[in-house]
Amino acid sequence: ETGVTQSPTHLIKTRGQQVTLRCSSQSGHNTVSWYQQALGQGPQFIFQYYREEENGRGNFPPRFSGLQFPNYSSELNVNALELDDSALYLCASTLSSRPNHEQYFGPGTRLTVT
Amino acid sequence: AQKVTQAQTEISVVEKEDVTLDCVYETRDTTYYLFWYKQPPSGELVFLIRRNSFDEQNEISGRYSWNFQKSTSSFNFTITASQVVDSAVYFCALSGYTDQAGTALIFGKGTTLSVSS
Repeated sequence: ETGVTQSPTHLIKTRGQQVTLRCSSQSGHNTVSWYQQALGQGPQFIFQYYREEENGRGNFPPRFSGLQFPNYSSELNVNALELDDSALYLCASTLSSRPNHEQYFGPGTRLTVT
Repeated sequence: AQKVTQAQTEISVVEKEDVTLDCVYETRDTTYYLFWYKQPPSGELVFLIRRNSFDEQNEISGRYSWNFQKSTSSFNFTITASQVVDSAVYFCALSGYTDQAGTALIFGKGTTLSVSS
């Protein structure tokens, strides 16, 4: 069984640029969530997708957007990058959108904005 | 609003010592779920355990045990006979369901555990 994978592993961007991060969910999982983890902090929820529809969103501005594809893989797009967007971005997949199912995390994408 | 507090920022122990990581949560939901995750230096969050709000039975799994008390809103995690490989950041997390956030996990700030030999 393949776990959650994310690409790229590391990324360096300049302030004002746009970035797309990708996530492949674990086999059989139809729900994907994205989190931002700043250095020394716990992960912060960005948004969640269930069967290609946004199922929830945290307190992030609209320049953070996402997609989920028919195979349940997902993308996180960030426009107009700011220095504070530098963080580890984690994707997690779940068997369903029910809260009792544990979320399985990928290895993350480390984004550095200069 | 939901909130998770991990008051211990860092804990250092010597191998074979027992260590307890504290977690206090806040929620208005009657049905909710609590989790512990481990984040080793590689960065990937590893799921350890889930408890339901209506199941206060504590559990032991190998060297790990959990103490869930609704009366004090606490969900503490104990490692018995710690090992160097247990060194990591440990996160407590809370989940329910809201129209705004779906089934988002709300994480604490984490406790960094260092086990020396």
